[in-house]
Amino acid sequence: AQTVTQSQPEMSVQEAETVTLSCTYDTSESDYYLFWYKQPPSRQMILVIRQEAYKQQNATENRFSVNFQKAAKSFSLKISDSQLGDAAMYFCAYRIEETSGSRLTFGEGTQLTVNP
Amino acid sequence: EPEVTQTPSHQVTQMGQEVILRCVPISNHLYFYWYRQILGQKVEFLVSFYNNEISEKSEIFDDQFSVERPDGSNFTLKIRSTKLEDSAMYFCASSWDRYYSGANVLTFGAGSRLTVL
Repeated sequence: AQTVTQSQPEMSVQEAETVTLSCTYDTSESDYYLFWYKQPPSRQMILVIRQEAYKQQNATENRFSVNFQKAAKSFSLKISDSQLGDAAMYFCAYRIEETSGSRLTFGEGTQLTVNP
Repeated sequence: EPEVTQTPSHQVTQMGQEVILRCVPISNHLYFYWYRQILGQKVEFLVSFYNNEISEKSEIFDDQFSVERPDGSNFTLKIRSTKLEDSAMYFCASSWDRYYSGANVLTFGAGSRLTVL
């Protein structure tokens, strides 16, 4: 079974600084997708960034980028120039590609605090 | 931007009562999902639905749960006889065909909070 582990229950960062959230996963699949979702206090799940396992290039979305290490099964999220609005719970998630409607498996989450 | 709509946003019910949570997925999406999140815990998969049938379900999705797409736009989750441990936020999500470039990206609704007393 696939598992996703986020070893940092809480992180904090100063506004305008950079922070990295860690995620590791376990799978025997070769084709899969990885995601970071943000959950603000409203509890809505918002997609931040995604990475296809077959792509070697790390995904980037504005201030958000990932460090994808396939061999190490590591998928960390870097937030640059942190803003107060980045404060939220961040979930790492995994999904295999082949199965129709395949499930997202989430990690336990990392609560990010941004200090002014 | 298209969004997934869920109703009600919050429902309080008595233990043993039936509850129906409703979702309107994005109109051109083909895959539909329910997830739940017990307060303070991670998001857990319940069920996925495609072509008018369940394509995958988790161990949580027992006989007390059912899903339906009654009219081609709504997607519902029914809990027949609620238990205290069913109290959670329930998220509906949808996604496009998996061969499309935007595939494998689930768009989530804002959630329906269920409180069972």
